[in-house]
Amino acid sequence: QVQLVQSGAEVKKTGASVKVSCRASGYTFTNFYIHWVRQAPGQGLEWMGLINPVGGSTTYAHNFQGRVTMTRDTSTSTVFMELSGLRYDDTAIYYCARSVEMATTVDYWGQGTQVTVSS
Amino acid sequence: QSVLTQPPSASGTPGQRVTISCSGSSSNIGTNYVDWYQQVPGTAPKLLIRKNSQRPSGVPDRFSGSKSGTSASLAVSGLRSEDEADYYCAAWDDSLSGWVFGGGTKLTVL
Repeated sequence: QVQLVQSGAEVKKTGASVKVSCRASGYTFTNFYIHWVRQAPGQGLEWMGLINPVGGSTTYAHNFQGRVTMTRDTSTSTVFMELSGLRYDDTAIYYCARSVEMATTVDYWGQGTQVTVSS
Repeated sequence: QSVLTQPPSASGTPGQRVTISCSGSSSNIGTNYVDWYQQVPGTAPKLLIRKNSQRPSGVPDRFSGSKSGTSASLAVSGLRSEDEADYYCAAWDDSLSGWVFGGGTKLTVL
């Protein structure tokens, strides 16, 4: 079955960086884009960007350009999302999810990774 | 502030029919498909409706979606207590070159 398994919770200081992983299984890794979406406490969903596992090209949401970097490792079917310059309002659950094309339905989601930014 | 607009809350009694609206613009809903997600607190979102009105395998036919112009809606008929959750609409936005979501609607079963 399709699974997206994310790395564990992180606690970081303001100004630091965090790197979250998302390991895919149960399907052909290179056939699906991977998106990152975050959800702040009590808030809605916010799209951060996506990566094409074939070639590694990325598209980032305007709000995150310059602070987010998405990469992939095809040998382990894993995608990484690194967010730098962490601020208190980056405290959120970060989800990875997949879609067959860039602008088509996101169907399966990872379990989420809690990132907490503190002083 | 979300690009897509949803009412923050909706409610109904068991067995009733409830609809949730989602309003957008020509660059998102007006041009592209709308998807709907259900999120039970503490869990990841789950795909409920894809491409405006298609139900993925395993989603009860009590859930239905529709789209007209720059708006979409999700209907839940025969409301059940387990339908209590947050519901989000989503669409690709051609102007932003990215996905946009509604702010979410909290559905309460009274």
